Amino acid sequence: NAGVMQNPRHLVRRRGQEARLRCSPMKGHSHVYWYRQLPEEGLKFMVYLQKENIIDESGMPKERFSAEFPKEGPSILRIQQVVRGDSAAYFCASSPRTFGTGELFFGEGSRLTVL
Amino acid sequence: GESVGLHLPTLSVQEGDNSIINCAYSNSASDYFIWYKQESGKGPQFIIDIRSNMDKRQGQRVTVLLNKTVKHLSLQIAATQPGDSAVYFCAELSYNTDKLIFGTGTRLQVFP
Repeated sequence: NAGVMQNPRHLVRRRGQEARLRCSPMKGHSHVYWYRQLPEEGLKFMVYLQKENIIDESGMPKERFSAEFPKEGPSILRIQQVVRGDSAAYFCASSPRTFGTGELFFGEGSRLTVL
Repeated sequence: GESVGLHLPTLSVQEGDNSIINCAYSNSASDYFIWYKQESGKGPQFIIDIRSNMDKRQGQRVTVLLNKTVKHLSLQIAATQPGDSAVYFCAELSYNTDKLIFGTGTRLQVFP
């Protein structure tokens, strides 16, 4: 859905560098979800955030990964000291309120390649 | 439940035929189910949803069937077209967690 904007669309990093992925939700949406997708696999939940709060981070690796959704500006998924296994497509989705009504709107994804 | 590194199963159908894509979900307490379509290089796109208190819902050319007894969800596409070629994912949600969990996915190939 063009309404959820993710950038960069493609990012190449060397092992040990940092990757920052940004997600601007649809206008009026205060709930953001991050998913990771490996080639030929489904989307795996990582984290659910509301403005200034992390609601559920049960899918986030314990180390090197962090996410935020500040009061102003986009949500950021940050991966420190990247390794080759971090290469994947990272999708952001937003919804206007607590889920349960209506669909989740996805962005086009950010594809991270770690050399 | 969560996909765990399996190669996607593939369904090949002839243009004009009906397609049926199946999904087994994991949580009997899930309240809400969604089918998504994902084209190559793009994000998932909503197709149709169904609540757990329903067993069937119809959209334009698509029908979703829910069988809670065996935890099975299916997506039927009528008169399949080349533009339907994509990977299709089912997803389940429990209102308690507000977390959408995706299934493994099925690749649909439509040939003339």
